Amino acid sequence: QKEVEQNSGPLSVPEGAIASLNCTYSDRGSQSFFWYRQYSGKSPELIMFIYSNGDKEDGRFTAQLNKASQYVSLLIRDSQPSDSATYLCAVERAGSARQLTFGSGTQLTVLP
Amino acid sequence: GAVVSQHPSWVICKSGTSVKIECRSLDFQATTMFWYRQFPKQSLMLMATSNEGSKATYEQGVEKDKFLINHASLTLSTLTVTSAHPEDSSFYICSARPALYGYTFGSGTRLTVV
Repeated sequence: QKEVEQNSGPLSVPEGAIASLNCTYSDRGSQSFFWYRQYSGKSPELIMFIYSNGDKEDGRFTAQLNKASQYVSLLIRDSQPSDSATYLCAVERAGSARQLTFGSGTQLTVLP
Repeated sequence: GAVVSQHPSWVICKSGTSVKIECRSLDFQATTMFWYRQFPKQSLMLMATSNEGSKATYEQGVEKDKFLINHASLTLSTLTVTSAHPEDSSFYICSARPALYGYTFGSGTRLTVV
């Protein structure tokens, strides 16, 4: 089992729709969870991070965390063509060795 | 705030030569920096953790003699790819975790070995 798993996609949604991206992780002791957006040929840029169960909203983005189910998701409301990118879920290991483990990413295409 | 600057953005080198990549934290101090490698259509793979003033910690399977890491100050870490070969061609990205922010990434270095 991979440490961090994402649906590889591709995921296509029409402009204005809600895009839902999912991620599961295997280390129950993981504490912090990050969503990054990566455009082709560019480095990842942070969308948001979450460490408490529940929802966290930032503009059109909402991250949802359920530690009991070891599941984290990202919702993108009112999707725009500029949101078309690969979305990376990353999990920070528990303990003193603070490192990120990335999922394989979900490729999202927002159709005009 | 919390910017990580990485240079060069791209480099082409001949097989057998060495290439140095710099990663700087511009407005914060980074006792720890991370180096990733990303092959086309794959996710980021952590290569090593760079620790200021001490030896880097390498992930399993990463050759420490080939990928030399130096973290001489609180704002600068360098990765040197020694005796580069075409299979080392990749996208190298550094990262740091400033307080109160998520991990911040440099802009990446596209290395092509010919």
